[in-house]
Amino acid sequence: GAGVSQSPSNKVTEKGKDVELRCDPISGHTALYWYRQSLGQGLEFLIYFQGNSAPDKSGLPSDRFSAERTGGSVSTLTIQRTQQEDSAVYLCASSQADRNTEAFFGQGTRLTVV
Amino acid sequence: AQSVTQPDIHITVSEGASLELRCNYSYGATPYLFWYVQSPGQGLQLLLKYFSGDTLVQGIKGFEAEFKRSQSSFNLRKPSVHWSDAAEYFCAVGGSYIPTFGRGTSLIVHP
Repeated sequence: GAGVSQSPSNKVTEKGKDVELRCDPISGHTALYWYRQSLGQGLEFLIYFQGNSAPDKSGLPSDRFSAERTGGSVSTLTIQRTQQEDSAVYLCASSQADRNTEAFFGQGTRLTVV
Repeated sequence: AQSVTQPDIHITVSEGASLELRCNYSYGATPYLFWYVQSPGQGLQLLLKYFSGDTLVQGIKGFEAEFKRSQSSFNLRKPSVHWSDAAEYFCAVGGSYIPTFGRGTSLIVHP
């Protein structure tokens, strides 16, 4: 596609429910990142996918968070048993494999846990 | 571990005034440095990047940044700010394959 696409753009969920956030990266980009942006905070790294390699999950804050990337393309971030502190904007980015290249960001999913 | 510090949470300037946003990084080797801008409700857009070579890099929208190894800095500048520049600005360092971002500087532009 023309850019990184994320859905939904907004999600309101009740505490304790599970949510799934979707990211469709730029075609041909092998690297995919998930970041979390809380109010007044910077971007917190969550998880990194590169091709068929095992993902780098070092940024996931708890075992309630998981992500997968199917067929080296679309990625889904799942948050189980959501808590109010999970409320944030979740940003997805993709890039070519070379670390010299920039990351292209989607518009994000604003998650509100009530 | 790599890290980025943006010491200014908010910067307020008048339209037409010059601008400098500060960024300090920590990285053990030659860093890959980026500045991104985020308008309200939008994702991040790359303004400019530095990998090697000329330490003064030009970006989009009239922005430039200077890499100073001795000061571990990569400050963003613009000679004359426009009202449309009001946004959140993020400095990032790469080197590993996972860019690390600063907490951002919010730019407020007064008419």
